[in-house]
Amino acid sequence: TQLLEQSPQFLSIQEGENLTVYCNSSSVFSSLQWYRQEPGEGPVLLVTVVTGGEVKKLKRLTFQFGDARKDSSLHITAAQPGDTGLYLCAGGREGQLTFGSGTQLTVLP
Amino acid sequence: NAGVTQTPKFRVLKTGQSMTLLCAQDMNHEYMYWYRQDPGMGLRLIHYSVGEGTTAKGEVPDGYNVSRLKKQNFLLGLESAAPSQTSVYFCASRKQGTLNTEAFFGQGTRLTVV
Repeated sequence: TQLLEQSPQFLSIQEGENLTVYCNSSSVFSSLQWYRQEPGEGPVLLVTVVTGGEVKKLKRLTFQFGDARKDSSLHITAAQPGDTGLYLCAGGREGQLTFGSGTQLTVLP
Repeated sequence: NAGVTQTPKFRVLKTGQSMTLLCAQDMNHEYMYWYRQDPGMGLRLIHYSVGEGTTAKGEVPDGYNVSRLKKQNFLLGLESAAPSQTSVYFCASRKQGTLNTEAFFGQGTRLTVV
């Protein structure tokens, strides 16, 4: 059973549209991370959120950590085909690092 | 600038055969991890290690064993491979820290058990 649940599992949108991906857990984490994975590669870190309610922006990507530090969201504005990939959230506790189920995003030109 | 290196990159095994996957990191990281990735399942943690000589079970440890005799190496063993172990295996390492530090991943090992 995944401790971190992501939704939606699959998302296919047109270039220029906005989207939000969610990561939810019943557990409290000291911090959550978002990674992006492309085919044939390992995941690469996008951001780490630490404080409840924190909002971080990375160009067109906006990450938010829930007030209770149990959930997080990733919002992409004006998606581009280059945003296509698998987005994964991850939480750590006592050295363990657990990943969510992932959201496969496809942005069509 | 090697980072995390996994060997081999591809392998085909027959049911019942054994093999060892090697992960090496040159960043002096304390934490190391083995994950498997199946379609639609994200990354599932098999085993992990918080330091040389220590290992712990993750979410899906059955059928696998690990060893961390040296800080830079983390070995994943399959004693008797089964078709259900067909998957892509990723190794990762990260620096010890109070908060989540960045995990660095290898390129993956694609294993097929027939």
